[in-house]
Amino acid sequence: DAGVIQSPRHEVTEMGQEVTLRCKPISGHDYLFWYRQTMMRGLELLIYFNNNVPIDDSGMPEDRFSAKMPNASFSTLKIQPSEPRDSAVYFCASSLDPPSDYEQYFGPGTRLTVT
Amino acid sequence: KQEVTQIPAALSVPEGENLVLNCSFTDSAIYNLQWFRQDPGKGLTSLLLIQSSQREQTSGRLNASLDKSSGRSTLYIAASQPGDSATYLCAVDTGRRALTFGSGTRLQVQP
Repeated sequence: DAGVIQSPRHEVTEMGQEVTLRCKPISGHDYLFWYRQTMMRGLELLIYFNNNVPIDDSGMPEDRFSAKMPNASFSTLKIQPSEPRDSAVYFCASSLDPPSDYEQYFGPGTRLTVT
Repeated sequence: KQEVTQIPAALSVPEGENLVLNCSFTDSAIYNLQWFRQDPGKGLTSLLLIQSSQREQTSGRLNASLDKSSGRSTLYIAASQPGDSATYLCAVDTGRRALTFGSGTRLQVQP
């Protein structure tokens, strides 16, 4: 298996622009998670999906952030408009059901820089 | 709110030494605890997962223990090698289905 795939790996954009991050989970995994990593706050959960349905989005910073999972093999995290404080590494992870019994597998991350 | 703490924040040891990384969590009602490794600029690699009913898990030179009642876990690395140099992260699942992470221990193994 190719593992969790994320694109792009690096994204540099200007403040105010829309940014879309993409994730392909491991085939057969029912759970998909979006995390954000910063020096100040470490790794934090943004949102997660079960069978393509958003379950917990309490970590989404504000309305500028939105996430979708239109099918079992694809998810997007969108930031509109982007701000410099959104600069971070965004990770996607997936796991089998139930996730309490199985490891979460992480993608390589997307390093976002907003200037 | 669950809080996860890892001590020390950084550790430097000579090659061949056995070492212990510590993780503590404030809420003992966890479903599992997972140890990860993160290399600079890379994603996270899962090392070990311990279910709440388990006391320890082993994989090669790695051994992770869990003491739920005291809110502690340790990751033991035997016969450390320069290739073990990385940041080690501890994370717990409190039933929220997502992980709460510690800030990590940055390990440097000197050849």
